[in-house]
Amino acid sequence: DTGVSQNPRHKITKRGQNVTFRCDPISEHNRLYWYRQTLGQGPEFLTYFQNEAQLEKSRLLSDRFSAERPKGSFSTLEIQRTEQGDSAMYLCASSSLRDSSYEQYFGPGTRLTVT
Amino acid sequence: AQKVTQAQTEISVVEKEDVTLDCVYETRDTTYYLFWYKQPPSGELVFLIRRNSFDEQNEISGRYSWNFQKSTSSFNFTITASQVVDSAVYFCALVGRGYGNKLVFGAGTILRVKS
Repeated sequence: DTGVSQNPRHKITKRGQNVTFRCDPISEHNRLYWYRQTLGQGPEFLTYFQNEAQLEKSRLLSDRFSAERPKGSFSTLEIQRTEQGDSAMYLCASSSLRDSSYEQYFGPGTRLTVT
Repeated sequence: AQKVTQAQTEISVVEKEDVTLDCVYETRDTTYYLFWYKQPPSGELVFLIRRNSFDEQNEISGRYSWNFQKSTSSFNFTITASQVVDSAVYFCALVGRGYGNKLVFGAGTILRVKS
């Protein structure tokens, strides 16, 4: 069994461009989370899915951000019209509904640099 | 609201010294879970321990030990006989049943172990 995977691992883009990240959770994990981590800070929650339903979105998720999980498996996070302030590590995590401890398994992250 | 505070931004020790990382949390939930994660320079979050709010037993795992005290809302982490490989950023995190499933992280403590 592989862990959570994220692609790409690094992305450099120019301000104003759109970017899309992909997360593949641990198979049979029905919950999937996105977090953002800026330099010197802990990860901050962005959004989470249970199967294909997006159940919660943080106020951090502006209109330029959209996340999908179309078939309840992988998820994508798109940022439109990127800004320098979007530069961060974007972390994906997954967990199982059967795990009452809420333990989340994290992927390696996608590091975004907006120039 | 939920909050995690890691007051120590950075700690430097010499190899073989013991070091304690502090974590104080706030939550209104009576059922919650506390976690410690390690983030080495590669960036991936590595799970270290989980503790639920009903289990105040301290835990030891090799050179690692954790002290959970509900009376002071603290969940401190001690590394005994530190090693250079322990150098990393350590995050304390909280998830409460009344606040959905999102993890709330502290800002992290950078641990530098010098040889």
